[in-house]
This record gives sequence, structure tokens and C-alpha cells, in this order.
Amino acid sequence: DGGITQSPKYLFRKEGQNVTLSCEQNLNHDAMYWYRQDPGQGLRLIYYSQIVNDFQKGDIAEGYSVSREKKESFPLTVTSAQKNPTAFYLCASLKGGTDTQYFGPGTRLTVL
Amino acid sequence: DAKTTQPPSMDCAEGRAANLPCNHSTISGNEYVYWYRQIHSQGPQYIIHGLKNNETNEMASLIITEDRKSSTLILPHATLRDTAVYYCIAAGYNTDKLIFGTGTRLQVFP
Repeated sequence: DGGITQSPKYLFRKEGQNVTLSCEQNLNHDAMYWYRQDPGQGLRLIYYSQIVNDFQKGDIAEGYSVSREKKESFPLTVTSAQKNPTAFYLCASLKGGTDTQYFGPGTRLTVL
Repeated sequence: DAKTTQPPSMDCAEGRAANLPCNHSTISGNEYVYWYRQIHSQGPQYIIHGLKNNETNEMASLIITEDRKSSTLILPHATLRDTAVYYCIAAGYNTDKLIFGTGTRLQVFP
């Protein structure tokens, strides 16, 4: 089955700890994205990558880091520098030459 | 990308058509209108998009006014499973970024 997987669905961490969220896709898509969603709000772009070994900051990149070592994988690290990390995190991918983003099921991160 | 304006919430009876409006008065000539929806605690799902002609697919129809300043997403026979937040986005083709606002929360009731 082709698609985007994010794991885990729920994640709890203590304040001050870094945490890495997984995003994998087997759609052979070129571009991948990370969004953050707070309750009752729309999605805000954190980072995106159009090609392996390259990525760009989105609107709210501070306190986050990413890597794109493989086409299939785009992990997001929420660092201790992120002041308010508790949120719903969504990963998406897009095939080059098309205009439709496909989203994963999301990871709900709670920092205690 | 152009800003879009949507009503915060709408209700629709099951089996009836749901018509969701969107204003995008500052849309530029090369920007498309995209619609996504998000069912509670899931990732958004692509519905449809268009440039200036009306579009229809298996999920919905998109009606864009002639001046392109507004559009309407039509779910012809709404079901309870269509209850979701619907996002209207104006963006260039193959854009790097989709700007999701707060959308319209559609509640379909029996």
C-alpha cells in the first residue's frame, strides 16, 4: 500500500528533551513538508525539502531541525529551543510536476 | 499567495448539497484555487482544484466566478462522514507552500 506514515501517533516527552518525529513515504515523491497545527488553528509550515540533501525553512522553523538523507524519509527534530512544542505535527509529500500534497496521519506531541 | 476568507462554520442536513463559499479577491492570474478537508485528528485530504473553469470529480464540484474573486465547493449529497474542516487555498501551480487558514467547519447532521 502506498502512502505516508508517521510514527508514533501519540508522543510524550519531558520538557528540555529533544524528540524526533518520523515521516516515511513510499510514493516516490520528490518534495516533503512538515506542518504544525495548534488547536482550532490552520497548518503552519515548519520546513520543506524539494530534493534529497536539501531543505528550506518555512514560516516557523525556529526550534526545529530536519534532514533529508533519503528520498523516502524526512525526520523532524523538535529541540529544547522550541518554546511551545506541544502540537499536532503533520508530514506531507508532493510529486514533482503535480500540485497535490498528500498528508500523513499526524503525530500528536505532548511535552510535559 | 492570495489570502482567502471562509465562514468559520456551516451546517448541512444529510443528503442535501453542502455549498461552501470562499472569497479570494486578491487572487492573481496564475494562482489556482485548492480545496482540502481535514477530518478530526487526521491529516488533510485533497479534494479538488481549479484555475478558472468549473471542475468536478468524484468527491465534489468547484464553481469559480468569472472574475475569479470567489468560489464555491459543492458536496452534492452530504453524508455524516463529510463532517470536517474545509480549507480553501489560493496558490500558484506546483507551489512550494500551501497556506492553510482556519477553514470552514462543516457539520452534517442526520
